[in-house]
Amino acid sequence: DAGITQSPRHKVTETGTPVTLRCHQTENHRYMYWYRQDPGHGLRLIHYSYGVKDTDKGEVSDGYSVSRSKTEDFLLTLESATSSQTSVYFCAISTGTSGTDTQYFGPGTRLTVL
Amino acid sequence: AQTVTQSQPEMSVQEAETVTLSCTYDTSENNYYLFWYKQPPSRQMILVIRQEAYKQQNATENRFSVNFQKAAKSFSLKISDSQLGDTAMYFCAFMKYNNNDMRFGAGTRLTVKP
Repeated sequence: DAGITQSPRHKVTETGTPVTLRCHQTENHRYMYWYRQDPGHGLRLIHYSYGVKDTDKGEVSDGYSVSRSKTEDFLLTLESATSSQTSVYFCAISTGTSGTDTQYFGPGTRLTVL
Repeated sequence: AQTVTQSQPEMSVQEAETVTLSCTYDTSENNYYLFWYKQPPSRQMILVIRQEAYKQQNATENRFSVNFQKAAKSFSLKISDSQLGDTAMYFCAFMKYNNNDMRFGAGTRLTVKP
């Protein structure tokens, strides 16, 4: 347990509505990540952060934005949710100082877009 | 881009037996990390084992060990004395050195039968 919590744990929303998922960590790790998990794809990186207000895109960033105003919180926003964004979303932290280290995951958020 | 392939979508093993999960990857990099993660029905992603490419010695964690063949780009996971609690999805993952983009395979669903 790397002290990572995600909220909400489950959410059902409608197409076109904005959605924000929150990742919170208690151990001041510099690197934080957002992944999505879909059947047949494993996990795919959406965005990551390497410090407060420092973020970068991952493999599947289209349709998502992120913000990190505090070390402990990393927010993932779907500005206008679509059915293709129905997925399980995982937040992760890296224990290393360069990001090149083992990643530990939060419990996940199941998002359903109707 | 790096790709990770897990060719066995599903496997089963009898309790107390040994099972090997396969993983191959494609990269032109020389320095990188490889991981096996376990995802039980609770959905939590749990690190099983990690291997640095520059280390020739295969990593071991209790009943879990890997067979890392760098030239063949192969990274298999062996589970000895399988237990019912080992029932889970297992994901192989690759990460280049000094890069935050971890790539996952599609997973292997392992069932341990009593």
